[in-house]
Amino acid sequence: SAVISQKPSRDICQRGTSLTIQCQVDSQVTMMFWYRQQPGQSLTLIATANQGSEATYESGFVIDKFPISRPNLTFSTLTVSNMSPEDSSIYLCSVSTLGRGTGGYTFGSGTRLTVV
Amino acid sequence: GENVEQHPSTLSVQEGDSAVIKCTYSDSASNYFPWYKQELGKGPQLIIDIRSNVGEKKDQRIAVTLNKTAKHFSLHITETQPEDSAVYFCAALNQAGTALIFGKGTTLSVSS
Repeated sequence: SAVISQKPSRDICQRGTSLTIQCQVDSQVTMMFWYRQQPGQSLTLIATANQGSEATYESGFVIDKFPISRPNLTFSTLTVSNMSPEDSSIYLCSVSTLGRGTGGYTFGSGTRLTVV
Repeated sequence: GENVEQHPSTLSVQEGDSAVIKCTYSDSASNYFPWYKQELGKGPQLIIDIRSNVGEKKDQRIAVTLNKTAKHFSLHITETQPEDSAVYFCAALNQAGTALIFGKGTTLSVSS
């Protein structure tokens, strides 16, 4: 399975600022995703990062708040903009190596964000 | 869209006992159902998965069963050990068949 490196692993940020999270994969992957995991909760899909085009956002998530880039098949970034304490969560990058609907979903270790 | 319900939210067992976690899904077109284990401070790790063309899959002490008619699938862990203590998540593919939608998780505690 793919090996995912996420940076930073954790950060403490001031409200009103922005943080960009990086996701690097050791091989080319077909699909990349960003999830949010609020404290003690499950994983919620933020968006699918599309290579060379705009990300596809889930209901409740918007590009102005969570801009995403995916310049190639091994790298993506998620920015959490104009942060508030409610944005304190774990943000996880996930990839699929086997193509649409066939499985092989791997997760990074996550970025633990605290907004003060 | 797809909705995944998971029960129970917490489960406590004695070492050596079996543990069963159940999930139901809403989209009858879903065809892939993985289970993840998440330990404190780590990302979710895939432990077993099943596709809709089989009813059961086993990997040592872990098994998953799928009932497509009832739209539910279950994780079975036998001979539990303290290191099995973690949060377990079930998931199913979303309506587009691309991303995973997760259940709310089950915190499993195995006491020795």
